Amino acid sequence: ETGVTQSPTHLIKTRGQQVTLRCSSQSGHNTVSWYQQALGQGPQFIFQYYREEENGRGNFPPRFSGLQFPNYSSELNVNALELDDSALYLCASSLVDREFGANVLTFGAGSRLTVL
Amino acid sequence: GQNIDQPTEMTATEGAIVQINCTYQTSGFNGLFWYQQHAGEAPTFLSYNVLDGLEEKGRFSSFLSRSKGYSYLLLKELQMKDSASYLCAVMDSNYQLIWGAGTKLIIKP
Repeated sequence: ETGVTQSPTHLIKTRGQQVTLRCSSQSGHNTVSWYQQALGQGPQFIFQYYREEENGRGNFPPRFSGLQFPNYSSELNVNALELDDSALYLCASSLVDREFGANVLTFGAGSRLTVL
Repeated sequence: GQNIDQPTEMTATEGAIVQINCTYQTSGFNGLFWYQQHAGEAPTFLSYNVLDGLEEKGRFSSFLSRSKGYSYLLLKELQMKDSASYLCAVMDSNYQLIWGAGTKLIIKP
């Protein structure tokens, strides 16, 4: 298992620009979720993809969009960046945990975005 | 609205026991998760409760009361490496996770 990997780890953008963040899911996981985590806060759900289709969305505007590819890797795109978009963006893939019978998320280390 | 409440910060002593509480109000309930997050790192899964009662896993235990909308995470024999944020998350009726803001646990020697 290679885990969930995200790129880039850090990036700086200016207001109005666009950004693409990438995620490679853990082997065997077919569901990927994206979260925004501001400093000192819990993760906020952006959206989830299952088999390349959006399968749930949180309270984020349409300028947050995503893609999932046949190999289950994923992208998060944010257009028209605002200062408040500065946060840690976490990607998580999921699989039903055999011990608990629950859909347990495995997180990547995140991409820290700073918008100036 | 949906709401998860947990204390912002707690302090405990190495070797002691600490209990981190979480109360929730969500539209439906499909399980409660606890995650640990060290500063600058990704959250890692600790425990899952879907039925009332206590789940024990080594030094960590988690309790759930669905009628009270309440859970706690119990950490025994605290070690310095347990200094981290502990996140409570509830899976709602749409199978989406609603997260608390996290409890920062500080362990002192």
